[in-house]
Amino acid sequence: KQEVTQIPAALSVPEGENLVLNCSFTDSAIYNLQWFRQDPGKGLTSLLLIQSSQREQTSGRLNASLDKSSGRSTLYIAASQPGDSATYLCAVTGGGFKTIFGAGTRLFVKA
Amino acid sequence: GAVVSQHPSWVICKSGTSVKIECRSLDFQATTMFWYRQFPKQSLMLMATSNEGSKATYEQGVEKDKFLINHASLTLSTLTVTSAHPEDSSFYICSTTGRGKDTEAFFGQGTRLTVV
Repeated sequence: KQEVTQIPAALSVPEGENLVLNCSFTDSAIYNLQWFRQDPGKGLTSLLLIQSSQREQTSGRLNASLDKSSGRSTLYIAASQPGDSATYLCAVTGGGFKTIFGAGTRLFVKA
Repeated sequence: GAVVSQHPSWVICKSGTSVKIECRSLDFQATTMFWYRQFPKQSLMLMATSNEGSKATYEQGVEKDKFLINHASLTLSTLTVTSAHPEDSSFYICSTTGRGKDTEAFFGQGTRLTVV
């Protein structure tokens, strides 16, 4: 059974810092890995999708990497801003096309 | 990418009543849809897999008689919370996933259910 773990659970940084969020998964037989953002009381915003054959994806200040063999992914956020404050969720889609989520990292960027 | 529309976005109901949540795939024929539940400050937990034209598959610990799933067409899946109780208050969200080369998961906007 796929399990997804995210570290750290929470993170507070001053504005302008570069930061890394970590995600690990137990079953490497995945189709893809996605990073989402969720604001309090809101739905999901898809940030980056990495297919299993890819090693990284970039969008603006965000860069996500994938090492499928070791079951790890990182989300790098450059020059963090207060508007980046949210919960970041890592999710993998694998057998049966089910998407399994990690518990998330709650990020707070201080102005 | 596929667009998934979920309705209603929020609902308040009395304890003991039933609530139906709709999930529509607007531009994609979804043979399979997924239903998730998210309690406050927790992550999304997969509840069940909705299969068009057949019975849903429920994850361990999810009561199939309480959470009725119907997937009568390729564009619509419904989740009915029967005899809702305050502990069923949660954020419910549906998704569908592409097949073949595109296996990205697309999510509805979610439904916040409050049972009073």
